[in-house]
Amino acid sequence: AQSVTQLGSHVSVSEGALVLLRCNYSSSVPPYLFWYVQYPNQGLQLLLKYTSAATLVKGINGFEAEFKKSETSFHLTKPSAHMSDAAEYFCAVSDPGTASKLTFGTGTRLQVTL
Amino acid sequence: NAGVTQTPKFQVLKTGQSMTLQCAQDMNHEYMSWYRQDPGMGLRLIHYSVGAGITDQGEVPNGYNVSRSTTEDFPLRLLSAAPSQTSVYFCASQGGVGGYTFGSGTRLTVV
Repeated sequence: AQSVTQLGSHVSVSEGALVLLRCNYSSSVPPYLFWYVQYPNQGLQLLLKYTSAATLVKGINGFEAEFKKSETSFHLTKPSAHMSDAAEYFCAVSDPGTASKLTFGTGTRLQVTL
Repeated sequence: NAGVTQTPKFQVLKTGQSMTLQCAQDMNHEYMSWYRQDPGMGLRLIHYSVGAGITDQGEVPNGYNVSRSTTEDFPLRLLSAAPSQTSVYFCASQGGVGGYTFGSGTRLTVV
């Protein structure tokens, strides 16, 4: 069975500081990995995805993530936080290919302060 | 460019009532799924379908039924609503490699 662990349910950073949201996964096969963002009272928007191509994945809004098989990690980073980045972020894993279930982490709420 | 459409956006039910949450996609995707989102628990899979006429249970299926008579539609039925089913429900469809599209959600309150 697949699982995802997101360390830290709440993360607070200052505007302009580095954003680092942690995600570790457990999977019996090389997985696909995803980061989604959810703004208040909205649906989920895909930030980026890893589907076995380049291990460093660039997404929207300046975010990127690196797939590290040896560490079973897929941490999300952004060099400089902006107030508009305040949201909840979810890491998710699936088996490779199509028609596969997504398993989500419990989410990390990012707060950005002045 | 509708994507995945969920209706209604908000609903209040009394305990014991039944209702159907609608989900429709116009992308000809075979795979569709329903999730519920609860604070501190992320999104949990309720039911999913790999094509018309084929459905299966996810992590938290109790109290919910689904059917898939067409590729486009995947309704979720609450048979007898309970306060524990108060949640935000998301429908998703998948097409292509890692291509999940989510609806905007239905916020359900059971009193």
